[in-house]
This record gives sequence, structure tokens and C-alpha cells, in this order.
Amino acid sequence: QKEVEQDPGPLSVPEGAIVSLNCTYSNSAFQYFMWYRQYSRKGPELLMYTYSSGNKEDGRFTAQVDKSSKYISLFIRDSQPSDSATYLCAPMDSNYQLIWGAGTKLIIKP
Amino acid sequence: DAGITQSPRHKVTETGTPVTLRCHQTENHRYMYWYRQDPGHGLRLIHYSYGVKDTDKGEVSDGYSVSRSKTEDFLLTLESATSSQTSVYFCAARRGERNTEAFFGQGTRLTVV
Repeated sequence: QKEVEQDPGPLSVPEGAIVSLNCTYSNSAFQYFMWYRQYSRKGPELLMYTYSSGNKEDGRFTAQVDKSSKYISLFIRDSQPSDSATYLCAPMDSNYQLIWGAGTKLIIKP
Repeated sequence: DAGITQSPRHKVTETGTPVTLRCHQTENHRYMYWYRQDPGHGLRLIHYSYGVKDTDKGEVSDGYSVSRSKTEDFLLTLESATSSQTSVYFCAARRGERNTEAFFGQGTRLTVV
């Protein structure tokens, strides 16, 4: 079993929809939870991160962590075609290494 | 591009040949990483460096070696390339161990035939 599980998709939604992307993890010691966005044929870029449980909002993006259920979510409001990318969740372990999910490919249809 | 440059961007090589990929950074990051990315697996850590001449293995280090003789350069060598090493390779850098943000290069697409 992988430490971080993420549905690879693709997830296809119409422009303007609310998108929910999710990861589950097995290591209860994770404290920092990152979301990276990767456009096709590019390197990943940090989108946002949260510390421990709770929500964090940044514009149209909200990251949510539920440590009791080991569940990580990223919500995108008013989705745009430019949001089409692969989204990778990456908790940080106790050795400060990033543990990567496989990524979910998101397609926003105009 | 956050100052991370990988070279070459594309390479086709034959089985059994050695291959070296280069990562160059301009931001004086202490930590540097080499990952491979394959469908269904996400990013898997090959090797990383926590300073000049200080390196350690990641989860998929067999068949790979690294060197870091200067802060700005981190080299990945495939000692004898195999078809299973066909992949996209990414270099990343972090300022410090606990920094949440890793900066990535554009990737190197390697094909072993």
C-alpha cells in the first residue's frame, strides 16, 4: 500500500464548476500537506500548503486536511480552462521528505 | 523557472551506455533532489543532496549515482542504462530542510532503446 493514494483521473468538468481533488494517506505523523500543480511537460509548482488539520484559502483555492480520517482535499471554485493540469498532493514526513501522490489529471472544458 | 535548469531536455540512448543528467541552480539552495516520474507512480525520489559532497539514497536509487561538487550543480548518472530507466527525470531544490516549497526544473525526457 502506498503512503499517499490519489485517484489519477482524468477528472473532466465544465468551466465554472467547483472541483474537489482528494488524497488519502496512512502515516499519522504527517504535519505539513502540500498541493503542487503540474502543467503538461513542465515541472510541478507549489500551489499551497496547510499545517496540521483545518482549512486554508487562497483566492479560488481551498486546501483542507482532516487528520482524524487522514484525508486531504483541494477545492477549486469557479474553475477555469487555465486550471487544467495535474494536481499532486505531497505530505511531508518526519524526515522532511515530500511523499508524493501519483497526481490527478484535471480537465476544465470551456 | 525558479532558477533550476536541467540539461539535456531530451535524450535517446542505447541500453548499456552511461548517461549523465545535469541540474544547475542559481538560488543557492542547500537541498537538491532527483526524481523520476512515471505514469501511475507520481514522483519517486532517486537521490538527494543536503550540501556539497553530501548525498543520500532515495527509494529508487539502484542503478543511479549522483555527485555534487558545487552548491549549484547536481549530477545524476545512470551507470549502465536499461529500458526500465526510460522516464522523465526532474531535479528539484529547497532552500532548507524544513522548507515546504520545492522548486523544480523543466524535466529531462530520457528514452533508453
